[in-house]
Amino acid sequence: DTGVSQNPRHKITKRGQNVTFRCDPISEHNRLYWYRQTLGQGPEFLTYFQNEAQLEKSRLLSDRFSAERPKGSFSTLEIQRTEQGDSAMYLCASNQGDTAYGYTFGSGTRLTVV
Amino acid sequence: EDQVTQSPEALRLQEGESSSLNCSYTVSGLRGLFWYRQDPGKGPEFLFTLYSAGEEKEKERLKATLTKKESFLHITAPKPEDSATYLCATIIQGAQKLVFGQGTRLTINP
Repeated sequence: DTGVSQNPRHKITKRGQNVTFRCDPISEHNRLYWYRQTLGQGPEFLTYFQNEAQLEKSRLLSDRFSAERPKGSFSTLEIQRTEQGDSAMYLCASNQGDTAYGYTFGSGTRLTVV
Repeated sequence: EDQVTQSPEALRLQEGESSSLNCSYTVSGLRGLFWYRQDPGKGPEFLFTLYSAGEEKEKERLKATLTKKESFLHITAPKPEDSATYLCATIIQGAQKLVFGQGTRLTINP
């Protein structure tokens, strides 16, 4: 297992289109997180899963955003009717158990809405 | 509301010039404070977790310390490869999400 994998790395879409991103966490990690990061800012929490259950969603996660983690393995984040303000880096992280080892982040998906 | 503030926003040093980055936090019930390094176009890379005031951790040229209100990341004799954005984040009791500061962009000139 080489870490948290995110696809695609880059996505350019027209305003109003739907987009979907995928995250494959480290296989033994039961918690999976989505964050959004804009230029010059730290990552902002969007949502997290423990196994297949979505346990917390941020106020930032409007009804255009939906996330799933079927079978507690990979996760998808879908944005419907994209807006220019959705342009950002979308980061996925995973962890299990002791926070001493931190949260392992993927390299992210860079979304540009034109 | 829990807040994490980092300073300075950007720091430019000469190779070998030691300095410190600051992370101030106002959270209720701190469970842990994390430091991450982020290179351009990549996700954050875990460096340290600190749990209680007085704790220190070291890794190569980096040392992180924690008080009840802030954390410092000390960089000793930095090299150009230490250039990156350094992020701190907190996690509170009963929660799983990290709350990040805005980061400090560090540049080390040869």
